[in-house]
Amino acid sequence: NFMLTQPHSVSESPGKTVTISCTGSSGSIASNYVQWYQQRPGSAPTTVIYEDNQRPSGVPDRFSGSIDSSSNSASLTISGLKTEDEADYYCQSYDSSSHWVFGGGTKLTVL
Amino acid sequence: QVQLVQSGSELKKPGASVKVSCKASGYTFTSYAMNWVRQAPGQGLEWMGWINTNTGNPTYAQGFTGRFVFSLDTSVSTAYLQISSLKAEDTAVYYCARGGYCSGGSCFKGGRDYWGQGTLVTVSS
Repeated sequence: NFMLTQPHSVSESPGKTVTISCTGSSGSIASNYVQWYQQRPGSAPTTVIYEDNQRPSGVPDRFSGSIDSSSNSASLTISGLKTEDEADYYCQSYDSSSHWVFGGGTKLTVL
Repeated sequence: QVQLVQSGSELKKPGASVKVSCKASGYTFTSYAMNWVRQAPGQGLEWMGWINTNTGNPTYAQGFTGRFVFSLDTSVSTAYLQISSLKAEDTAVYYCARGGYCSGGSCFKGGRDYWGQGTLVTVSS
């Protein structure tokens, strides 16, 4: 079964840059789109990156996504961290049957 | 603008059934797949499956067969999730999430996803 692995938690200071990784268990992560969702406590997930590196309107350009085929991983980078960025972040891609697969989620603390 | 509005919280007893609705607006309902996602208390996101809004054909993830049913009413742009024989472990927030573009009976990956606000289903005696 295809799985996506994320770090359980990351923390960084306001104004800094943080990168959250999402590693695929098999195959090539580059062969399917990767999405990133932000979920604040008590709220529904919202899309911050879709199709690997596309940013929906309304999402600040401080958020960016990328794919690294050499490590079979996707990354979400948030620059100029703000306290409002503190949330859980989930990556999502697809397995060989085109079923959605989620990473376990990463808790971002901005301290 | 695209909106998915879900029905309100439910409190059910074990063994009962529940039907969660997800009303779409701001786009052509039958042009995009609809996914369902579960989030148990304090846990991550778990994909339950999806329904092809072109054909009405559902696909269920492992662990979500038998008691879970996806359905549509295209006349009111609404998707439904029905869960029967409820158990305490079904207590969770259930989300609908718009998926990829559908055309000619096939649905494709990609595109921006939109999520409903979630429906809390609590199963307790």
